[in-house]
Amino acid sequence: QVQLVESGGGVVQPGRSLRLSCEASGFTFSSYTLHWVRQAPGKGLEWLAGISYDGRNEYYAESVKGRITISRDTSQNTLYLQLSSLRFEDTALYYCAREDSLSVGAFDIWGQGTMVTVS
Amino acid sequence: QSALTQPASVSGSPGQSITISCIGTSTDVGRFNYVSWFQQHPGKAPKLLIYDIDGRPSGVSNRFSASKSGNTASLTISGLQADDEADYYCSSYTSSDTEVFGTGTKVTV
Repeated sequence: QVQLVESGGGVVQPGRSLRLSCEASGFTFSSYTLHWVRQAPGKGLEWLAGISYDGRNEYYAESVKGRITISRDTSQNTLYLQLSSLRFEDTALYYCAREDSLSVGAFDIWGQGTMVTVS
Repeated sequence: QSALTQPASVSGSPGQSITISCIGTSTDVGRFNYVSWFQQHPGKAPKLLIYDIDGRPSGVSNRFSASKSGNTASLTISGLQADDEADYYCSSYTSSDTEVFGTGTKVTV
């Protein structure tokens, strides 16, 4: 079964850091570009970052560039998102998503999300 | 990168057709054919409906269709059903090698 499972969310104080994880299963992890997307309570989707299938290229939204780092570990089939200098406005449900290998931006598999509350 | 502009809400009766617009710029929607649409039911993760402007993943109903003209992409839902009631988001690749989502549209049936 193809799936992504996020973890690592929780309640964190402003200014602190947090690392989110996204464990993949059911597909060849090293063949896909992966992304992080977040959704603040009652708000829309916000793309945060993407990392190429081989980990060589990272892409970040301007709004969070410098405060987040995306990475991946093929040996663990796991995607990561390091969040630093957390702010109240970073409170959101954080999703990881797989990009279909045949198209750009076609996020075909999503995790269930992990909640980060900055308080 | 500003969010793509979508109407906040669209409504229709069962069986009717509705169209959701997604307005971008010449650096995203207008420049690339990488426009996707997602459906999100309350409390659920988004689901891919459309990719590459008008491509439909396997398993997605052909009641969902999409197109693009200039800087505006559109999603049409025909034969509206109760289960279509959800939030809908467009997204586009951008000239900055990033992705940008739309503001989201709540569809009421």
